[in-house]
Amino acid sequence: SQKIEQNSEALNIQEGKTATLTCNYTNYSPAYLQWYRQDPGRGPVFLLLIRENEKEKRKERLKVTFDTTLKQSLFHITASQPADSATYLCALDGNYQLIWGAGTKLIIKP
Amino acid sequence: KAGVTQTPRYLIKTRGQQVTLSCSPISGHRSVSWYQQTPGQGLQFLFEYFSETQRNKGNFPGRFSGRQFSNSRSEMNVSTLELGDSALYLCASSRDGTESYEQYFGPGTRLTVT
Repeated sequence: SQKIEQNSEALNIQEGKTATLTCNYTNYSPAYLQWYRQDPGRGPVFLLLIRENEKEKRKERLKVTFDTTLKQSLFHITASQPADSATYLCALDGNYQLIWGAGTKLIIKP
Repeated sequence: KAGVTQTPRYLIKTRGQQVTLSCSPISGHRSVSWYQQTPGQGLQFLFEYFSETQRNKGNFPGRFSGRQFSNSRSEMNVSTLELGDSALYLCASSRDGTESYEQYFGPGTRLTVT
């Protein structure tokens, strides 16, 4: 069956460093992959979408890579700030629905 | 442009009751999806509506139902509530479909079943 895995444990990063989050999937050949940010008690907020024919996508301090051979996406936040602390979710396209990972909680320490 | 709105924001119900949640999508968005989120779980897909038609349904019992109106507003209903239905219910709208377009989420409805 289709499966998406994200780091289940919280990721603690020192302010100013680069945070890297991982999204792995199996039994899938998604055409798109999306990353969202979710703060406690709120709905997810869209960050980036990357297509299968794109190796890398950037937006300000954010960078996403998509390796269809490894079946993996990496999400990077450079020059991280405490305000970047949140849970980050990856989602892959399914049949008229997005399939979601459980999310990784990122904590940026000052 | 106004964002996705959901009402009510918080709800407390008793086992066996039913509940109706409402979602107003972003203007011009025709697709509305509903999700259930519980602590430690990823978003669990309930169903998606597009132009008043249910286009896809997740793996939830028939107690969970929904509908979409001609103005794209959507409602979901849960009948015969169980304690396990306590969760954050999120709706999301997108321009046309769910795969290739980003979804815009509402703030959610926090449902507590006692």
